Formats: sequence, C-alpha cells, structure tokens
Amino acid sequence: EDQVTQSPEALRLQEGESSSLNCSYTVSGLRGLFWYRQDPGKGPEFLFTLYSAGEEKEKERLKATLTKKESFLHITAPKPEDSATYLCAVPDSWGKLQFGAGTQVVVTP
Amino acid sequence: GAVVSQHPSWVICKSGTSVKIECRSLDFQATTMFWYRQFPKQSLMLMATSNEGSKATYEQGVEKDKFLINHASLTLSTLTVTSAHPEDSSFYICSARQIPSRNSPLHFGNGTRLTVT
Repeated sequence: EDQVTQSPEALRLQEGESSSLNCSYTVSGLRGLFWYRQDPGKGPEFLFTLYSAGEEKEKERLKATLTKKESFLHITAPKPEDSATYLCAVPDSWGKLQFGAGTQVVVTP
Repeated sequence: GAVVSQHPSWVICKSGTSVKIECRSLDFQATTMFWYRQFPKQSLMLMATSNEGSKATYEQGVEKDKFLINHASLTLSTLTVTSAHPEDSSFYICSARQIPSRNSPLHFGNGTRLTVT
C-alpha cells in the first residue's frame, strides 16, 4: 500500500534560520511527487513537481529535492511569510493523490 | 494559469437542509475534478472523483446519497451535501488537473467551510 510520511509534524524557526522538511514515501513505482503550501482556511497552493531521483526545483527561498525514498523541502533564510503547512503528495496508479499529514512551519521575527 | 474557483467560501446551514458547493476551472477544461474533505489539523481526505458526463466515483466509506456530485460541464462540478448534520461540518476543497495526465499536479480551490448548526 502506498504510504507518505512527513516529518517533523511542526517546526518553529527564527527568521533567517534555515531548515529542512522531510517527506518519505513507499509507492509501487513513483509517478511524481508534489509539494504544496497550505495557509489556514485556504486550499493547498501548488509549489513543485519532482519526477526522478536527483531532481531539484527552486522557488524563492524554497528548494525541493528527491531521492529514491524521500524528498526534502529546504527553506533557506525563512521569513515570517513562509509560515504555513507544507504538504507532500504522490499519485497512485489511478492518479489519486495520497497526501502526507503535513509539516506546520512557524517562522518568528 | 490553472485557477480553480470555489463558491461559497463559507456557509452556515441548519441541520436537515442541503447545501451546494460549486467548483469551477477558470482557465482550463477539466474532465475530472476531485473533492476533498479536511478536518482541523488533519490532512486532506479524498471523497470522490467527479467525471464530466458520467457518474462520480466515491471513496470507500463516503455516502454517495449524502454527497451528491454533478459534473455538468468541462468547467463546473458541484457537490451537494444533502440533509446536512453537524458531523458534516468540515472544510471541503475541490481540485482539478490543468494537464489531463495522472502524473500531473492537482490545482486546488480555496475551499468551502461548512458549518451545520
């Protein structure tokens, strides 16, 4: 059975304090891995797609990487506006997304 | 691009009444849309897959008679919560793919907060 696990559950950072979020997965054939950002009371906002091990994507202070078993979302020199819940998801063979539980990130000034 | 619009953003209704939520793809066509439900501090749970011109497919444990889905056009899907009860109070989110490939990302609406009193 496909499984997606995110850690840590919550992360509290000082502004400028870089860190990484982890998303580990067990799927029968990776068809892509997606990162989303979700603000309270909003739908998830698409950030990145990664398809193969070794692939990296960047957007502002965020960088996503992928290995054969896990993905990392690196937040470099975060700002308070980076506070959100970050979700990763993988599609099953039917294209249905299975989400991890998310990592809630709080960045304090 | 890839904008999904959901309406209303919040709704309060009385127990026993029905509520309709609309989901529109604004700048692309979507033969398939997905409806999710999210409880506080939990992740998204897929409820059903909405298929344009045909019946929706529901995930195990989701009552199809309670959550009616209609996908009447390539840009509109609706979710009707029938005979709502307080336990139906939740955050409902729809999504769709701009690129109709199973391996492409979903784009989400901003959700509908349903409160049943």
